[in-house]
Amino acid sequence: AQTVTQSQPEMSVQEAETVTLSCTYDTSENNYYLFWYKQPPSRQMILVIRQEAYKQQNATENRFSVNFQKAAKSFSLKISDSQLGDTAMYFCAFMRMNTGTASKLTFGTGTRLQVTL
Amino acid sequence: GAVVSQHPSWVICKSGTSVKIECRSLDFQATTMFWYRQFPKQSLMLMATSNEGSKATYEQGVEKDKFLINHASLTLSTLTVTSAHPEDSSFYICSARDSVNYNEQFFGPGTRLTVL
Repeated sequence: AQTVTQSQPEMSVQEAETVTLSCTYDTSENNYYLFWYKQPPSRQMILVIRQEAYKQQNATENRFSVNFQKAAKSFSLKISDSQLGDTAMYFCAFMRMNTGTASKLTFGTGTRLQVTL
Repeated sequence: GAVVSQHPSWVICKSGTSVKIECRSLDFQATTMFWYRQFPKQSLMLMATSNEGSKATYEQGVEKDKFLINHASLTLSTLTVTSAHPEDSSFYICSARDSVNYNEQFFGPGTRLTVL
């Protein structure tokens, strides 16, 4: 079974600053996906970024980037130039790479990020 | 991008009644949909995997007779909370997996259920 751990329940960052959210996971799989989802106060889950485990290059989406360390089973999210709209709950998630059957998402407990003026 | 809708967005019901929540994929076909439950300030907990045309697969500890799931078409899955009690009050979220791109899941906006 896979587990995902987010050790930071809450974090705060000032607008325009950079913040890094931590995530570690445990799996015996070699091929998998890792995700960061954002859940703002509206509670709509929004995909922030995705990383395929077989890719060595870290994924980047505009102000969002990850530091993927496969051997260490670490997958941190860096948010640059933080904006007030980044205030949300952030969930790290794991999914086995499986093309034939339903692949379930395993979520971490989440990190609540507050961006302040 | 792909859109998933849920209806209703919120519902209040009396204890002992049943409530049906719909999850629709609006612009893609979804052979698989997932149902999650989320308590305040907590993570999403997978309840069951819904497969079109077959029985749902429930996670350990989730009562099949309590949470009935029907996935009758490639765009619609329903979750019925039977004989609801106050402890069933929660936020229910569905997601749909694209039939073509297996590794994408798209989330609905959620349904807040309050049982009085």
